[in-house]
Parts: sequence; C-alpha cells; structure tokens
Amino acid sequence: EAQVTQNPRYLITVTGKKLTVTCSQNMNHEYMSWYRQDPGLGLRQIYYSMNVEVTDKGDVPEGYKVSRKEKRNFPLILESPSPNQTSLYFCASSLFPTVPQETQYFGPGTRLLVL
Amino acid sequence: GNSVTQMEGPVTLSEEAFLTINCTYTATGYPSLFWYVQYPGEGLQLLLKATKADDKGSNKGFEATYRKETTSFHLEKGSVQVSDSAVYFCALTVQGAQKLVFGQGTRLTINP
Repeated sequence: EAQVTQNPRYLITVTGKKLTVTCSQNMNHEYMSWYRQDPGLGLRQIYYSMNVEVTDKGDVPEGYKVSRKEKRNFPLILESPSPNQTSLYFCASSLFPTVPQETQYFGPGTRLLVL
Repeated sequence: GNSVTQMEGPVTLSEEAFLTINCTYTATGYPSLFWYVQYPGEGLQLLLKATKADDKGSNKGFEATYRKETTSFHLEKGSVQVSDSAVYFCALTVQGAQKLVFGQGTRLTINP
C-alpha cells in the first residue's frame, strides 16, 4: 500500500529536550515536505526536499532542522524544542514537485506538546 | 504573494442538507487548486482538484469549479452525510512554488 508514515503519532516533551520525528514514504517520491498545522492558520510549510541531500527552508523554518540522506526518509529534528512548537505536524511527499498537477500525499500527523 | 481564504467555521448542518464552503484565492501566475479533507485523527487526503480555469473537480459527491474571473473554488455537495464530518482545506500551488498554500480550514459537522 502506498503511504507516508510518521512516528511517533503523539509526543509530550519538555523544553530543550532534543527530539526527532521520522517520516518515510514507499512511493519512490523525489519531493518531501514538512508542514505544521495550527488553529486558524491552516498548514504552513517548515522545510522541503527536492531530492536526496537537497533541502530548503519553507515559510516557518526557525527552530527546526531536516536531513535527507535516503530518498524514502525525511526526519524533522527539533534540537531545543520550545512551547511555541506545540503543534500538529504533517509530512508530505509527491513525485514531481514542480508540476502543480501532481498530488501530494500526507502522513497521518504527529501531535507534539512541549511543556 | 499567494494566499487562500476560506469561509469561517465551524459549520454545522443536518444530514441531507446542501453544503457550500467558500474559498477564494490570490496567486501570481496560474495556480492549481485543491480541496483536502482531514477526517478525525487522520492525515489530509486529496478530495478533488482543478488545474485550469473552468475545470470542475469532483469526488464522492463533492464538486468545485475553478473560477478565474472571481478567483474562487467553492466546495459544494448536494446532500451531506454524517460521514462527511471533517475539516476541509482549500489549497493552491503554482509552478515552481515547491509547496501548497493552505487556507485556515473549515470544520464541518453533520448531525443525523
């Protein structure tokens, strides 16, 4: 089954404790992206990757890091989480990012609470 | 810049009612338009899309028409069901943008 998986689905942590949210896709997609969803703001892009070893900032990259060492994986790293990073996070992937008609596939989401 | 504005929610309807969720956009160039749906506890799923003016996207009884003259992409369904309860997001992308631009989402609740 074609899918994007994320782990963990739920996470409670404390300020300053480094964490990683994993994302993996099994569709051989070149493009992967991270979004955060906040009430009243919709989804906003954090980082994206056009291919292995190619990453770039989205609209809200502050406080986050990413890496793309393998095509299927795109982990999101919070090196020193803060309460304003409490949010619902989604990973997405698609085959050809520059083709607007191309559908993006989303993971199930990771709900993060930073105390 | 590119942006999407959706009607304010939440929206509550009775089963079999007619649904409209308004969506308007501003974009440079010629955007592709999407409606995504998020069922409780799940990720976003593509509901329908339209890639050029006057195109109509449709799926599961939902429809939306790409109106360039009014920069709109309103979502409609003739008879909603309880199972349609979800959050609906209007979104756009433009060539080379590397991302989807989302509206704020509209929570829809259908009562039996």
